[in-house]
Amino acid sequence: GDSVTQMEGPVTLSEEAFLTINCTYTATGYPSLFWYVQYPGEGLQLLLKATKADDKGSNKGFEATYRKETTSFHLEKGSVQVSDSAVYFCALSHLTGANNLFFGTGTRLTVIP
Amino acid sequence: DVKVTQSSRYLVKRTGEKVFLECVQDMDHENMFWYRQDPGLGLRLIYFSYDVKMKEKGDIPEGYSVSREKKERFSLILESASTNQTSMYLCASSFPGPYGYTFGSGTRLTVV
Repeated sequence: GDSVTQMEGPVTLSEEAFLTINCTYTATGYPSLFWYVQYPGEGLQLLLKATKADDKGSNKGFEATYRKETTSFHLEKGSVQVSDSAVYFCALSHLTGANNLFFGTGTRLTVIP
Repeated sequence: DVKVTQSSRYLVKRTGEKVFLECVQDMDHENMFWYRQDPGLGLRLIYFSYDVKMKEKGDIPEGYSVSREKKERFSLILESASTNQTSMYLCASSFPGPYGYTFGSGTRLTVV
């Protein structure tokens, strides 16, 4: 069945450091891929998405490229800020039925000044 | 501002009580979902609905039921709350297709 695997946390970085959070997936066909972010005490917010191979999603300085050959969708940001401290979830979805999202277990990022 | 609203942020209930968690969306979304979130386990789908009066079991439906009498409202029901249902509960909604979900802020339920 479909599944998402993302790197274990927690991840601690200094401000302005480069961020990579790895995400790989297992799925039949051509799923859509998403990154969600959850700030402390809040629900999840859609950060970015990509719907086909080689698409690059981007938002708020974050980027991720849909790599079908490596079944990956790694999240990157060139210079993190303290305000980026949150939990990040990778997810995939098919376009059938209720287009259910399958989530990874989340990666907690802490950025220190 | 479009949103998904969950009726309570924090809730404390006793073992054996019947518990209702309410979720309302104002985006005319067809699909609605209930997840629970636990440390180390990520998000697990409890139930979802893709139309009024329709419901489908997710990955962990045991001990839960749902109701969707109106398009905008999706209720999660714990028939007899137990301590292992202490968790963060997240409601979400979406249009069909690759648009992602809009989540509510969550309800942190503690069963004592």
